[in-house]
Amino acid sequence: AQSVAQPEDQVNVAEGNPLTVKCTYSVSGNPYLFWYVQYPNRGLQFLLKYITGDNLVKGSYGFEAEFNKSQTSFHLKKPSALVSDSALYFCAVRDYNYGQNFVFGPGTRLSVLP
Amino acid sequence: DVKVTQSSRYLVKRTGEKVFLECVQDMDHENMFWYRQDPGLGLRLIYFSYDVKMKEKGDIPEGYSVSREKKERFSLILESASTNQTSMYLCASSLAGQPYEQYFGPGTRLTVT
Repeated sequence: AQSVAQPEDQVNVAEGNPLTVKCTYSVSGNPYLFWYVQYPNRGLQFLLKYITGDNLVKGSYGFEAEFNKSQTSFHLKKPSALVSDSALYFCAVRDYNYGQNFVFGPGTRLSVLP
Repeated sequence: DVKVTQSSRYLVKRTGEKVFLECVQDMDHENMFWYRQDPGLGLRLIYFSYDVKMKEKGDIPEGYSVSREKKERFSLILESASTNQTSMYLCASSLAGQPYEQYFGPGTRLTVT
């Protein structure tokens, strides 16, 4: 069965510093990987996806993620964090049981400190 | 812009009550989904639908049912609410041709007392 782990419940970073939110996955086939963000009192918003192609994927709001097959990881990164990036971040993988659905990780809360 | 709306942001119900959560999307999406979100557990899929009058169980369907009589509307029903159904409920929709770009509603925080 596929699964997604986000090893950190909380990540704190100072504004202007680079940020990384970690994600590792386990799937039986080719991984389709995604990042979503949830701002306070709002629904989830799609950030970026990896289906195939370049291992470095660029997404919305200056975020990018690097697919690493050997380490089964898909870490989210941003070169310079903003206070407005503070939110809950979810990594997700395609659910091979239900082809058009996801398996979500538990989420990582990012706090960017001014 | 795609808009997914949910009937209530906050809802408080008593144990044993029948609860209806409504979701409407305005972009003619074929697929619709209901998730519940709990701290430390992420989002878990309750039910989904790929077409009108069609429904499929997700990972945690027990205690829930759904209805999709019109393409734009997908309802989640708690037949007899229990305290362990206190949670945030999120609705989402997507195009059949772009299944992985799901658009989410703002969520309904349900408290069952």
